Amino acid sequence: LAKTTQPISMDSYEGQEVNITCSHNNIATNDYITWYQQFPSQGPRFIIQGYKTKVTNEVASLFIPADRKSSTLSLPRVSLSDTAVYYCLVAPNTDKLIFGTGTRLQVFP
Amino acid sequence: NAGVTQTPKFQVLKTGQSMTLQCAQDMNHNSMYWYRQDPGMGLRLIYYSASEGTTDKGEVPNGYNVSRLNKREFSLRLESAAPSQTSVYFCASTRDRGSHNEQFFGPGTRLTVL
Repeated sequence: LAKTTQPISMDSYEGQEVNITCSHNNIATNDYITWYQQFPSQGPRFIIQGYKTKVTNEVASLFIPADRKSSTLSLPRVSLSDTAVYYCLVAPNTDKLIFGTGTRLQVFP
Repeated sequence: NAGVTQTPKFQVLKTGQSMTLQCAQDMNHNSMYWYRQDPGMGLRLIYYSASEGTTDKGEVPNGYNVSRLNKREFSLRLESAAPSQTSVYFCASTRDRGSHNEQFFGPGTRLTVL
């Protein structure tokens, strides 16, 4: 299973763009890259998923370089409500999802 | 749609007591999962059920049993609770176990074992 490495914490201010990079050097051919968000006292919530290049939805963008050994979650113009823990997961299927400790994002006014 | 529901929301047990955590989903999903999350940690998979009638061990199955009662319901049982099982328990479901399917999580059950 591919191991992921992401920063333990990040700070930002409202209105800024936040980029969280995840390293997954031993990603396998059939692995997808998925990001989840978790607020205190709640279950994780799916944000975005991709296999290669760039994926964008109404919440975030996911950038994946050609070698797929890393990925970057981009949150445009964050607000206080984006304060949460963000998990990067790499797995071939949902039975193999491994949630590490994630990146704790704190957004300040 | 209620999504994934869990009962109870909170529970306090004494060491050695037993209890069952209930989970139900109304999205017609095939796969269901039980995770635990200890303070400041990520989620760890306890058991999962890829489809109705099947269950498999995850990363930390010791001390737990599960039952996939039907397509909607997946319960987690602690036969003899221990303080090390104090945690928040999350149930999740997904359409099927393919990698492109997102998991939907319930609100969690906060369990304290004294």
